Amino acid sequence: AQSVTQLGSHVSVSEGALVLLRCNYSSSVPPYLFWYVQYPNQGLQLLLKYTSAATLVKGINGFEAEFKKSETSFHLTKPSAHMSDAAEYFCAVSYNAGGTSYGKLTFGQGTILTVHP
Amino acid sequence: KAGVTQTPRYLIKTRGQQVTLSCSPISGHRSVSWYQQTPGQGLQFLFEYFSETQRNKGNFPGRFSGRQFSNSRSEMNVSTLELGDSALYLCASSLEQNTDTQYFGPGTRLTVL
Repeated sequence: AQSVTQLGSHVSVSEGALVLLRCNYSSSVPPYLFWYVQYPNQGLQLLLKYTSAATLVKGINGFEAEFKKSETSFHLTKPSAHMSDAAEYFCAVSYNAGGTSYGKLTFGQGTILTVHP
Repeated sequence: KAGVTQTPRYLIKTRGQQVTLSCSPISGHRSVSWYQQTPGQGLQFLFEYFSETQRNKGNFPGRFSGRQFSNSRSEMNVSTLELGDSALYLCASSLEQNTDTQYFGPGTRLTVL
């Protein structure tokens, strides 16, 4: 079974500081990994996606994530936080194995990012 | 292209009633997935439809059902509502393959009193 663990339900940083949100996954087959962001009272917006083409994935708004198979991790980073980055972030995994994998994303519990001026 | 749309955005129902939520996918997308989001359980997969057929289903009771129409629009229905069904219901559409990126709608906020 696939699972995702996000370490830290709340992360607080100062504006201009490095953002690091942690995600570890468990998957018995090659995973497809995603980071989504959710602003209050909105749906999920895709930040970036890993599909095995490259281990370092660049996304929107200056975010990037690195896939490390040996550590089963897919941490999200941004060099310099902006006030507008305050939101909840979700790591998710899917896989290509038919049957019970169809259309299913398995999400982590989410990390709320707070950015202080 | 227009994004995923969901109607209504907000609903208030009482226990025992039933409710139908609607989702219109991005044009050309044939797969629609539904999720329930609650503070306690997080984001949980309900089911996925492709070409009017349910291909996958999460671990929810039979009170939760759905369907997909020939234009890929999808509806989900919850019968005999319980207080615990209060949640944000999100639908997402994708092209076809189960590893294609899912694009989410704004959600329907259901409150059961």
